[in-house]
Amino acid sequence: DAGVTQSPTHLIKTRGQHVTLRCSPISGHKSVSWYQQVLGQGPQFIFQYYEKEERGRGNFPDRFSARQFPNYSSELNVNALLLGDSALYLCASSVGTGTGPLYGYTFGSGTRLTVV
Amino acid sequence: GESVGLHLPTLSVQEGDNSIINCAYSNSASDYFIWYKQESGKGPQFIIDIRSNMDKRQGQRVTVLLNKTVKHLSLQIAATQPGDSAVYFCAENNQGGKLIFGQGTELSVKP
Repeated sequence: DAGVTQSPTHLIKTRGQHVTLRCSPISGHKSVSWYQQVLGQGPQFIFQYYEKEERGRGNFPDRFSARQFPNYSSELNVNALLLGDSALYLCASSVGTGTGPLYGYTFGSGTRLTVV
Repeated sequence: GESVGLHLPTLSVQEGDNSIINCAYSNSASDYFIWYKQESGKGPQFIIDIRSNMDKRQGQRVTVLLNKTVKHLSLQIAATQPGDSAVYFCAENNQGGKLIFGQGTELSVKP
């Protein structure tokens, strides 16, 4: 079975541009969470979606938005990119809204976004 | 604010030695803790977890200790191998699907 897949793997954007990152969860998983990992730091929670509804939001500006589709895949959108948005963006999928192995909480390999 | 921090940013050990990675957390309401391993170019990989009603949990070559009195978490890796070289993160959970990660400790294993 495929794990959590994220696309693209790498991306370079210019300041002020918009970016869309995509995540396909493990088959059977209905929840997707997004994290931002700046180089040298731990991941920071951005959003969680479950059954197409937002279930949690981290401390990120309104430039960050997300949605989940009927097939449970998800998109993370970032508008008006800043240099500080350069990071690894991670997606995690799970059966329900909890974390840990009981929920099959699994991370993808991420999308490396560089803003120049 | 909420935070989970690590005492040491880097740790270098000899192959075969035991490794201990430490973590401090600030939210006493957290009831679930996870250790993750992250290799270069990959996402975090689950190692072991522990709930707040326990103080010790063992897995294969790994042990997690939880001291709620001082809000401290540690990961012990027995007989450390070169394949254990990675960055290790502790994470806490107290709100559904939101994990709060620490900064991370880079473990380097010398052959």
